[in-house]
Amino acid sequence: GAVVSQHPSWVICKSGTSVKIECRSLDFQATTMFWYRQFPKQSLMLMATSNEGSKATYEQGVEKDKFLINHASLTLSTLTVTSAHPEDSSFYICSAEPGQDYNEQFFGPGTRLTVL
Amino acid sequence: GQNIDQPTEMTATEGAIVQINCTYQTSGFNGLFWYQQHAGEAPTFLSYNVLDGLEEKGRFSSFLSRSKGYSYLLLKELQMKDSASYLCAVSDSNYQLIWGAGTKLIIKP
Repeated sequence: GAVVSQHPSWVICKSGTSVKIECRSLDFQATTMFWYRQFPKQSLMLMATSNEGSKATYEQGVEKDKFLINHASLTLSTLTVTSAHPEDSSFYICSAEPGQDYNEQFFGPGTRLTVL
Repeated sequence: GQNIDQPTEMTATEGAIVQINCTYQTSGFNGLFWYQQHAGEAPTFLSYNVLDGLEEKGRFSSFLSRSKGYSYLLLKELQMKDSASYLCAVSDSNYQLIWGAGTKLIIKP
């Protein structure tokens, strides 16, 4: 149990275009979902926390107008990178928290974004 | 401020034992997690400690001392597939996970 999927697993796009990444909890309802970014050989960097039906909470330094997060249901959150630039190329990982007992996060497989 | 410290890189030999330490200073404490992350993949859950002591799970064990703000992950009978980064994360008073930078473990034959 506790499987989280992400789609797409990798994407290549042109500079200036927008890319949408989906994160789904397949066998549980996620009260909270998280979006992380990871550059090569660096640790996870939390971008934002989203709760179903409410606005996402962004970490300091993360542009909310550039990284749009929509947590439309208890099983789906989307991250849209708007007007992507080469510096946005990174590994984007989502995680979901069932909200039971303790706040263990279950991670999706990640999406590798390359902006040309 | 909140801070998680763990060594950047460690090297060990196949079949041996290695201990990865993690010290933390956070506003509140609601548990400590260890995750394993292979290169190019997402992290996978290894262990969770909220009370002092040792939790054993197969070849992996995790220890916690809340008074010392200290944890370690112990890996026994090392295998080549254990080469990965190991991330320590602490749940603070707001139940937000504070992540360490990770320890890259290199296993040599």
